[in-house]
Parts: sequence; C-alpha cells; structure tokens
Amino acid sequence: DGGITQSPKYLFRKEGQNVTLSCEQNLNHDAMYWYRQDPGQGLRLIYYSQIVNDFQKGDIAEGYSVSREKKESFPLTVTSAQKNPTAFYLCASSNEGAWGNQPQHFGDGTRLSIL
Amino acid sequence: KNQVEQSPQSLIILEGKNCTLQCNYTVSPFSNLRWYKQDTGRGPVSLTIMTFSENTKSNGRYTATLDADTKQSSLHITASQLSDSASYICVVSQRRYYGGSQGNLIFGKGTKLSVKP
Repeated sequence: DGGITQSPKYLFRKEGQNVTLSCEQNLNHDAMYWYRQDPGQGLRLIYYSQIVNDFQKGDIAEGYSVSREKKESFPLTVTSAQKNPTAFYLCASSNEGAWGNQPQHFGDGTRLSIL
Repeated sequence: KNQVEQSPQSLIILEGKNCTLQCNYTVSPFSNLRWYKQDTGRGPVSLTIMTFSENTKSNGRYTATLDADTKQSSLHITASQLSDSASYICVVSQRRYYGGSQGNLIFGKGTKLSVKP
C-alpha cells in the first residue's frame, strides 16, 4: 500500500539535545511538507520541499532544520534552539504544490515531548 | 488578514443523527477549499476539495457546500456513525496574485465531533 510513514510515533527530548523525525513516502510525490499541530490551533507549516535538494522555510522554521536528499525522504531535525518543541508533528506529501487541486496525504504523526 | 474560522468548536450528537459544520474564510485570491477528517492521534485524511466553480461535492455520507460569494462552506454529515467521531478541519488554498504555482494553505482550528450511542 502506498502512503507516508512517520517514525517514531513517540519521541522524548532532553534539554540541549537535537532529535530527528523521520518521514518516508512511496507515493512518488515531488512535494513534501512538515507541520506542527498544537492543541486548539490550526496546523502550522515548518518547512516544505517541492523537489529533491531544494526546500523552503514555512511560517515557523526557527529552531528546525530539514534535508531532502532523496525524493522519498524528508527528515526533520528539532534543534536545541527550539525552546518549545512539545507538539504533534505531521509530515505530508502531494503530487503538486499544496495550493493546487490535489490533496495532501498525511502521515500519522510523531508526538514529541520534553523530558 | 487571511483567516479560516470554523464553528462550532465542538459538537456532540447521537448516533444516526445528521449534523452540519461551518467554515468561513477571508482568503484572497481563492484557489480551493478542502475538508479533512482527523481521528485522534492520526494524520488528517482528505474528504473533499472544492474549486471556485463547485457548489456541492459529496463523498459517501459527507456533503460539502461552497458559496464563494459569501466565502462560506459547510460539511454535512448524514446518518452519523460512531466512527465519525473526529476533528474536521477546513483548509483554504490561496493562490499568488500573479497566478504562479506558489501559494499558501490556511488551516482552520477544526471542529471536534463526538458521536454518542
């Protein structure tokens, strides 16, 4: 079955530690995205990539970094500079830009908490 | 300011009843409007995408309407089931003024629906 796989499902971060969230898709989509979801808020865009080796900052990129070395993979690193990292992180992909008429496909998220 | 407002914030209904969720937006220029269903602890799943020229779109027991003049959309759920318990998210796509492929997605905060037996 085609889809998006995020791992791990739960992740704990210690003070001063960087952690990396994995996102893999086998939908052959060019575009991939990372969102952050906090209780009572809409999804907020962290980073997006429309093609391999290229990515753009979203609305809340500070304290995060990404890479896009392969079409299938778009890992997100939450750095120690992100002071409030506790949230539900969602990865998505689409066949064209998210603002087109094709839906985004989402993974089942990673819940990150502070130890 | 580009915004998507959803109402109600939460809703409880009995199994078998119908319900309607509302979405008002102030996004311009408009490209399309999407409804997603998000089960607790899972990622959102697309229900419908509606462009400017579409007034109604159905997906099983889910029917979305769009009034581009008043910038309002609704999602109607017919004969609700326990599995309909979820958050429903309205998302509006904004296309850049010069008509290029770059744009923006504005997410609503969602309506949390609980269906009780």
